[in-house]
Amino acid sequence: QQPVQSPQAVILREGEDAVINCSSSKALYSVHWYRQKHGEAPVFLMILLKGGEQKGHEKISASFNEKKQQSSLYLTASQLSYSGTYFCGIAKAYGQNFVFGPGTRLSVLP
Amino acid sequence: DADVTQTPRNRITKTGKRIMLECSQTKGHDRMYWYRQDPGLGLRLIYYSFDVKDINKGEISDGYSVSRQAQAKFSLSLESAIPNQTALYFCATARGVRKSTDTQYFGPGTRLTVL
Repeated sequence: QQPVQSPQAVILREGEDAVINCSSSKALYSVHWYRQKHGEAPVFLMILLKGGEQKGHEKISASFNEKKQQSSLYLTASQLSYSGTYFCGIAKAYGQNFVFGPGTRLSVLP
Repeated sequence: DADVTQTPRNRITKTGKRIMLECSQTKGHDRMYWYRQDPGLGLRLIYYSFDVKDINKGEISDGYSVSRQAQAKFSLSLESAIPNQTALYFCATARGVRKSTDTQYFGPGTRLTVL
């Protein structure tokens, strides 16, 4: 089952913050975050594992709430280069392929 | 040179035609994947392979077949293309045996249009 991502789209001004959520109806083992810029391939950002710590990548960080079966991606002080579509991918158990969500389109304006 | 390459990058074909999309990688990874991307649906898994003797169906394999000719090559075929197979197709690779945690590296994509 595909995870649910919210919001579907968000528009920001440079320097603003954003949060993208990824939710599952079942328990999660791992959550992956990828970013795809327009016309390009998806690129890995980070992975969070059940019981693991919050991860960070420059001004982008993420958390994993096992109780809520949800992961959130935090983009701080957005830059123009952050524009793109963000996908989460979830695996429900060790040894399973992960399933991508529908994506959240982020547009950062000057 | 790119680590994961896909050919062709763009293809327009007609309903009923057989078409093959090819993926090659120089990363030395064992696992390879084929995904299709449609607007609003994200990336959906078509097939994946752990090695040349191991092929597995993904969530949307109907109408597709694959061939793993070598560790570095993984091809996707549409035996009789139909218009709803119009999409952006991505190949991806991953290094290890842990499907749930290994990073996937994507090729540049093939845009397929079926008329």
